Amino acid sequence: AQKITQTQPGMFVQEKEAVTLDCTYDTSDPSYGLFWYKQPSSGEMIFLIYQGSYDQQNATEGRYSLNFQKARKSANLVISASQLGDSAMYFCAMRRGNQGGKLIFGQGTELSVKP
Amino acid sequence: EAQVTQNPRYLITVTGKKLTVTCSQNMNHEYMSWYRQDPGLGLRQIYYSMNVEVTDKGDVPEGYKVSRKEKRNFPLILESPSPNQTSLYFCASSPSPGRMGNEQFFGPGTRLTVL
Repeated sequence: AQKITQTQPGMFVQEKEAVTLDCTYDTSDPSYGLFWYKQPSSGEMIFLIYQGSYDQQNATEGRYSLNFQKARKSANLVISASQLGDSAMYFCAMRRGNQGGKLIFGQGTELSVKP
Repeated sequence: EAQVTQNPRYLITVTGKKLTVTCSQNMNHEYMSWYRQDPGLGLRQIYYSMNVEVTDKGDVPEGYKVSRKEKRNFPLILESPSPNQTSLYFCASSPSPGRMGNEQFFGPGTRLTVL
């Protein structure tokens, strides 16, 4: 079965330090996409970064980078130079090539940034 | 401004009283979807629509109905709400799902409580 697993329910990081949020996925499809979304306390879902299964390089978007290890089926989010505004819930999601636009979400990781 | 809107944002109702949560997008997106978010479970897809008059079940469709009569609107209908439908609901839209990297744009969420 297709599944996304985020094993860290909650994490703390000191302001200005880097943090890695773990995500592993399970699929037998060769074509898939991996997404990370941020959900602040206000509740909205904010798209952060995308990695395609055929992409040769790890995706980067500003302070966000995705550590994509295909053989290990992991797609960890790395946030560099954490800011207080990064405190939020983070969701990893997968989209399979043959299932239209459906996203399968992990359970989420709540990140708290300490001043 | 390109956006997905949902109404109402908050709703408290009683068991069995029919309700509709509206969703509208102004980006001319073909794909629309409803998710529910529950603690520890992430987001799960309820129903989706690939285009006008084309809808299909997601992973948790029981107790819900949808319709897509116009491209911009995708209402979620609870004919006889029950307490286990208390949740945070998100509507999302995306350009043609044929492109794997198309992100989904989420509405602000509707927090529903069924007493």
